[in-house]
Amino acid sequence: GESVGLHLPTLSVQEGDNSIINCAYSNSASDYFIWYKQESGKGPQFIIDIRSNMDKRQGQRVTVLLNKTVKHLSLQIAATQPGDSAVYFCAETHSGGGADGLTFGKGTHLIIQP
Amino acid sequence: DADVTQTPRNRITKTGKRIMLECSQTKGHDRMYWYRQDPGLGLRLIYYSFDVKDINKGEISDGYSVSRQAQAKFSLSLESAIPNQTALYFCATSDFPGNKQFFGPGTRLTVL
Repeated sequence: GESVGLHLPTLSVQEGDNSIINCAYSNSASDYFIWYKQESGKGPQFIIDIRSNMDKRQGQRVTVLLNKTVKHLSLQIAATQPGDSAVYFCAETHSGGGADGLTFGKGTHLIIQP
Repeated sequence: DADVTQTPRNRITKTGKRIMLECSQTKGHDRMYWYRQDPGLGLRLIYYSFDVKDINKGEISDGYSVSRQAQAKFSLSLESAIPNQTALYFCATSDFPGNKQFFGPGTRLTVL
């Protein structure tokens, strides 16, 4: 079954506002987490990642927060723009060997209202 | 990512037909993956390969086979396609374990 999930299937925000997309995971062995953005008709595109030895990481207009205590991951997008409209997936894996590949959540569709 | 290409981009086939999906990469990565995406289920791992001739089953390998002919190429085959294999298929690469993966544009497969 899925070990990674998202709390909301759709999130609608006003252009210029900040948005927060949440993700929960259940595998305590997970030590590497990635957020992907998928636009219609395209493959997932890497946004930002974080390893379990960190609790926050910032990129350009994006911040990922990791709370290992409650197994929760979030993606914050500042000053959303129309181009941010997409489906966002969290994914996890553990780098300790064995089975490889990412486990994905179901995705949150972010809609930017003008 | 333009460094990972997939062919065909769209394919319609009939139940029982054999079909092959191709993936090529110019990133020089050793690790390659095939995922399947269904509405509401996210992406699920079908097979992965650490190097040429290395093949490993993922979460949903039944009904599929793969071939890693060269470092840059990883193909996915459906020996006898069935309608519930209708989905989006994505190829991905990475350079070492526990690192981010780069995805191709996807192949939309419809099995009638």
